[in-house]
Amino acid sequence: GAVVSQHPSRVICKSGTSVKIECRSLDFQATTMFWYRQFPKQSLMLMATSNEGSKATYEQGVEKDKFLINHASLTLSTLTVTSAHPEDSSFYICSARAVTSSYEQYFGPGTRLTVT
Amino acid sequence: GDSVTQMEGPVTLSEEAFLTINCTYTATGYPSLFWYVQYPGEGLQLLLKATKADDKGSNKGFEATYRKETTSFHLEKGSVQVSDSAVYFCALSDDSGAGSYQLTFGKGTKLSVIP
Repeated sequence: GAVVSQHPSRVICKSGTSVKIECRSLDFQATTMFWYRQFPKQSLMLMATSNEGSKATYEQGVEKDKFLINHASLTLSTLTVTSAHPEDSSFYICSARAVTSSYEQYFGPGTRLTVT
Repeated sequence: GDSVTQMEGPVTLSEEAFLTINCTYTATGYPSLFWYVQYPGEGLQLLLKATKADDKGSNKGFEATYRKETTSFHLEKGSVQVSDSAVYFCALSDDSGAGSYQLTFGKGTKLSVIP
């Protein structure tokens, strides 16, 4: 149980285009979903926290107009990177916290974004 | 704010060697502590956790004890295997006041186990 999927696993896009990444909790309902960014050989950096049906809370320094987050249901959150640039190339990871759990997060496998 | 400091890697060990990865933390509240493991090409998986002082988390031969007096949560395994090669992240979860229980991660320690 407690499986989180991400789609796509890898995506290459041209500079200036937008890319949408989906995060789904497959067998549980997620009150809260988190989006992280991981740079090579570095830790995960929390980008934003989203609660179903409300606006995401972005961490300091993360542009909310560039990284659009939608959490439309208890099993789906999306991250859209708008007007992507090469510096947006990174590994994006989502996690979900179950309605029944106060602290445990389940992580997706990540999405490798490359902007050319 | 909250922070997690773990030993820098990479760590290279021979099979059956003893493993210790140090982790210390600072937190304003009473956090829960975690070790996550990331195998090559995969997402993070929870390895073990401890939710209060003196708790010991254990899984797959790995152990870590929540030490409030030293604010530490060191990961240990008595005999590592090649299949343990991965990146290990220490993390804490603290209620920021909004009930979000965000995770704060250390930088990760890459472990390579050679036959």
